[in-house]
Amino acid sequence: GAGVSQSPRYKVAKRGQDVALRCDPISGHVSLFWYQQALGQGPEFLTYFQNEAQLDKSGLPSDRFFAERPEGSVSTLKIQRTQQEDSAVYLCASSPRGQNTGELFFGEGSRLTVL
Amino acid sequence: GDSVTQMEGPVTLSEEAFLTINCTYTATGYPSLFWYVQYPGEGLQLLLKATKADDKGSNKGFEATYRKETTSFHLEKGSVQVSDSAVYFCALSSGGYQKVTFGTGTKLQVIP
Repeated sequence: GAGVSQSPRYKVAKRGQDVALRCDPISGHVSLFWYQQALGQGPEFLTYFQNEAQLDKSGLPSDRFFAERPEGSVSTLKIQRTQQEDSAVYLCASSPRGQNTGELFFGEGSRLTVL
Repeated sequence: GDSVTQMEGPVTLSEEAFLTINCTYTATGYPSLFWYVQYPGEGLQLLLKATKADDKGSNKGFEATYRKETTSFHLEKGSVQVSDSAVYFCALSSGGYQKVTFGTGTKLQVIP
């Protein structure tokens, strides 16, 4: 389909492992957001890209979290030395415009479980 | 900073009942307001939006009115269906690139 695609859908990691989560946004979408959704909570903002530029990373919880979008399309969220508190669903969303209207198109998320 | 507060769930209603899910917000400036919905097994999707005071957003029988004086954006539907069972998130966007801030979500279960 033409929607936002995220992989893997499910990831189980042992504490201390590194993980990488991929987001393939809708083709041509300028804006890309990463959110973290803990169980029973709303999505919490992590970071924002406009094309390849990371314009806001204020929501990244620690320096173990790193995101990139080198060619302005696919994005990867990397978590180093995972901790149990990193267990959550990681959502990617894209929007067609740089001046986002708040209308985001979400993927189905990557559920990370850290044991 | 910006924040959204919505009523806690779960909310359980019988089919054809009237639905209200309360939402209030705190924001600087003039945010746009949204309701997103997450059906079981699916990703979040936009349900409706309003971009300025007194605007009414509507979709699929749902409505919400942007009330600046009470900083509210309550979601309503006159007659719910079983297929409306989902988690509903109130949200706002503001700032230069319109970062979206979400509430904690309200789970709605509609029983036949």
